Amino acid sequence: EGQLVESGGLVVQPGGSLRLSCAASGFTFDDHTMHWVRQAPGKGLEWVALISWDGSAAFYADSVEGRFSISRDNNKNSLYLQMNSLTTEDTALYYCVKEGVSPDAPTYYYMDVWGKGTTVAVSS
Amino acid sequence: DIQMTQSPSSLSASVGDRVTITCRASQSIGRYLNWYQQIPGKAPKLLIYAASTLQSGVPSRFSGSGSGIDFTLTISSLQPEDFATYYCQRSFSSPPAFGQGSRVEIK
Repeated sequence: EGQLVESGGLVVQPGGSLRLSCAASGFTFDDHTMHWVRQAPGKGLEWVALISWDGSAAFYADSVEGRFSISRDNNKNSLYLQMNSLTTEDTALYYCVKEGVSPDAPTYYYMDVWGKGTTVAVSS
Repeated sequence: DIQMTQSPSSLSASVGDRVTITCRASQSIGRYLNWYQQIPGKAPKLLIYAASTLQSGVPSRFSGSGSGIDFTLTISSLQPEDFATYYCQRSFSSPPAFGQGSRVEIK
């Protein structure tokens, strides 16, 4: 099924930058779209960004558009999230997530493998 | 964007109860609807995809139904390990938004 391990979460000041990493194993990484999903303390799940299997396409939530950048290195089985101009609203647990695809037609997409998350705290 | 609204936001139930959670989309999404379970302190876990297909390894007491706008997650006989928060998520068009969550608590 696979495993995802996030790293890079820290306490950072407002306006600062941070780069999260996610190491994938146990599945063919470059076969899959990957996502970042976050969860603020005591709140629900918020989708942040996705990147296509080859890195050619990326999409972002309105709340992070222009500040965050998702990328991947298929040679290293790794996913990244560059976070700039951080605000207190970005404080959250950040999950790296693999997108699965249904085996039969029609094609359905779902998030079937989740990491344990890495914590980002934006505070002065 | 297509909005996802879950109800109830929370409920109290006893072991053995039948529990139903609903998810409504602001416009039709076919069967592009997934359900996740999140136990406190843990990462979310996929339960159901394509509205009604049980993910491998998920107990058969979980079931999903619906299409278009209205969807339902049902737990036929609540077990102690089912006390958690449940999220629906649409996988039709971008962004892949989540509902706000439904917390199932012990009565």
